[in-house]
Amino acid sequence: GENVEQHPSTLSVQEGDSAVIKCTYSDSASNYFPWYKQELGKRPQLIIDIRSNVGEKKDQRIAVTLNKTAKHFSLHITETQPEDSAVYFCAASIQSGGYQKVTFGIGTKLQVIP
Amino acid sequence: NAGVMQNPRHLVRRRGQEARLRCSPMKGHSHVYWYRQLPEEGLKFMVYLQKENIIDESGMPKERFSAEFPKEGPSILRIQQVVRGDSAAYFCASSPPGTRNTEAFFGQGTRLTVV
Repeated sequence: GENVEQHPSTLSVQEGDSAVIKCTYSDSASNYFPWYKQELGKRPQLIIDIRSNVGEKKDQRIAVTLNKTAKHFSLHITETQPEDSAVYFCAASIQSGGYQKVTFGIGTKLQVIP
Repeated sequence: NAGVMQNPRHLVRRRGQEARLRCSPMKGHSHVYWYRQLPEEGLKFMVYLQKENIIDESGMPKERFSAEFPKEGPSILRIQQVVRGDSAAYFCASSPPGTRNTEAFFGQGTRLTVV
């Protein structure tokens, strides 16, 4: 089955700096890569996603890149703010038998220091 | 649209008791996924269901755990004879019908504590 590895597990940055989280996946059939943000005690929520036919996508301070050949994708947050502090999960999704199976990375705990 | 609703939010059970976790998907969604999140760990897939069908239960422990999604009513994750190791947050997610990969919407989760 699919295996998603995520690095780093924890990340501390100064407010205003950039944060980068990297993920790799194993199954070349994966074709949808969502990123979720989970604040303490709350539900995971989608912040950005990318499909396999796209190499890069940007939404204000958040961008995601995808390298299908190398099977890795990354989340970039620029001009970080304290409210960006949360756990971020990458995921890889495979369409199989008419439904999607989503495999999550272990998560990155991001701390933005004011 | 009220979103994905899970109840209870918090559940305390003694060892050996049964735990029942409920999930009502978003209106119009026919796919339900259950995930388990242990402290300081990621989201582990447990089971995927459509109405009246278990499609993929490859992440579900073989014993004590079961799930259903009846024609009427919420999806239910049942854990029999709970043990301390079952303490975790259990999240349900739903997505709309169709074959295109799309966002899964999560509920608030049920935090199960086994004492």
